[in-house]
Amino acid sequence: AQTVTQSQPEMSVQEAETVTLSCTYDTSENNYYLFWYKQPPSRQMILVIRQEAYKQQNATENRFSVNFQKAAKSFSLKISDSQLGDTAMYFCAFIFYNQGGKLIFGQGTELSVKP
Amino acid sequence: GAVVSQHPSWVICKSGTSVKIECRSLDFQATTMFWYRQFPKQSLMLMATSNEGSKATYEQGVEKDKFLINHASLTLSTLTVTSAHPEDSSFYICSARDRGVSGNTIYFGEGSWLTVV
Repeated sequence: AQTVTQSQPEMSVQEAETVTLSCTYDTSENNYYLFWYKQPPSRQMILVIRQEAYKQQNATENRFSVNFQKAAKSFSLKISDSQLGDTAMYFCAFIFYNQGGKLIFGQGTELSVKP
Repeated sequence: GAVVSQHPSWVICKSGTSVKIECRSLDFQATTMFWYRQFPKQSLMLMATSNEGSKATYEQGVEKDKFLINHASLTLSTLTVTSAHPEDSSFYICSARDRGVSGNTIYFGEGSWLTVV
């Protein structure tokens, strides 16, 4: 069975500091995509960053970067220079290349950025 | 960019009635859409995969007769909660995959809050 595990239900960080959210997953497949989504109180799902499993280079989007360890099936998200607007639920998820977009989500991490 | 629109954003219905939620892909064709349910402080739980022109595929434990899904066109999927009860109150959100420009981009609707009274 394919699963995604986020072991940190809640985290907090001071504004301007760096925080890392952890995510591990389990699959026997080799071709997939990994995502981090942000869900603010509005409940809108916002794509933060994505990683193709075949790429060794870690994805980066401005203040957001990932540490993708395929062999360890680990996909952590690092947020640098945290801002108050980063406060949200963060979900790790993955899909297989040829499965039409069916996302498998982790349990989520509630991040609070404190002033 | 591509957008998925969901309607209504909020709906209140009486127990025993049915309510329909629409999910539209506005500028791309989506042969497959997905319906999720989310309880407070929890993750998104996949309910079903909506397939254009054919029957939906439901996840284990989801009642097919209670959550009717119709995907009559390449841009519209609907979720109808039939004979709604208070325990059906939840946040429902749809997604669609755009295989076009960027290959595997998933877009989410804004979500719909359902309250059954």
